[in-house]
Amino acid sequence: QSALTQPASVSGSPGQSITISCTGTSSDVGGYKYVSWYQQHPGKAPKLMIYDVSDRPSGVSNRFSASKSGNTASLTISGLQAADEADYYCSSYTSSSTLVLFGGGTKLTVL
Amino acid sequence: QVQLQESGPGLVKPSETLSLTCAVSGDSISSGYYWGCIRQPPGKGLEWIGTIYHSGTTYYNPSLKSRLTMSVDTSKNQLSLRLGSVTAADTAVYYCVRYNNNWALDYWGQGTLVTVSS
Repeated sequence: QSALTQPASVSGSPGQSITISCTGTSSDVGGYKYVSWYQQHPGKAPKLMIYDVSDRPSGVSNRFSASKSGNTASLTISGLQAADEADYYCSSYTSSSTLVLFGGGTKLTVL
Repeated sequence: QVQLQESGPGLVKPSETLSLTCAVSGDSISSGYYWGCIRQPPGKGLEWIGTIYHSGTTYYNPSLKSRLTMSVDTSKNQLSLRLGSVTAADTAVYYCVRYNNNWALDYWGQGTLVTVSS
């Protein structure tokens, strides 16, 4: 059982927008700005897409945006492209002894 | 460009110890960042294993803590992981990572598959 809750799958057509949610608690997502999102293509290492809730590392497309409300963080991908098809994971710092929590991952299918 | 390169055994027998080394290049392991390991069982999600600072301060996943030891060798600019009494449940791709200053994993190694089997 994953500590952060993500939908198992989402889908969208090219050009559309999709949003992936990530729900935690006040001890992790809701309590800190340290929420990050990762993209993972099959057979590859995850890639950091968002950090500090909504900041993008250099080189990440501005089609990727994110936000947080209460205990739920969200990743939005606009102008969907075939290359966006991947697994997406959220992560949060936590005040518990676990230190870092991951969501179970969301498989994005571009129809 | 920061690069992390994992070196692992590939295959480990049940009840034995898994030893993994991660060589860091493009940055000093003493640079002030935290470093760590993440694993991913085949077809499953990411699991945090542990985090270490160059001073030797460690944070371990409570579910692995009794079997886990992480260390850094600043002279070789590498970190090491030892996981004892392994079972098939420890079969996974093991990644080495660097944390930015806000607990995001900004650099990842390519990962190394470790299979636990007799």
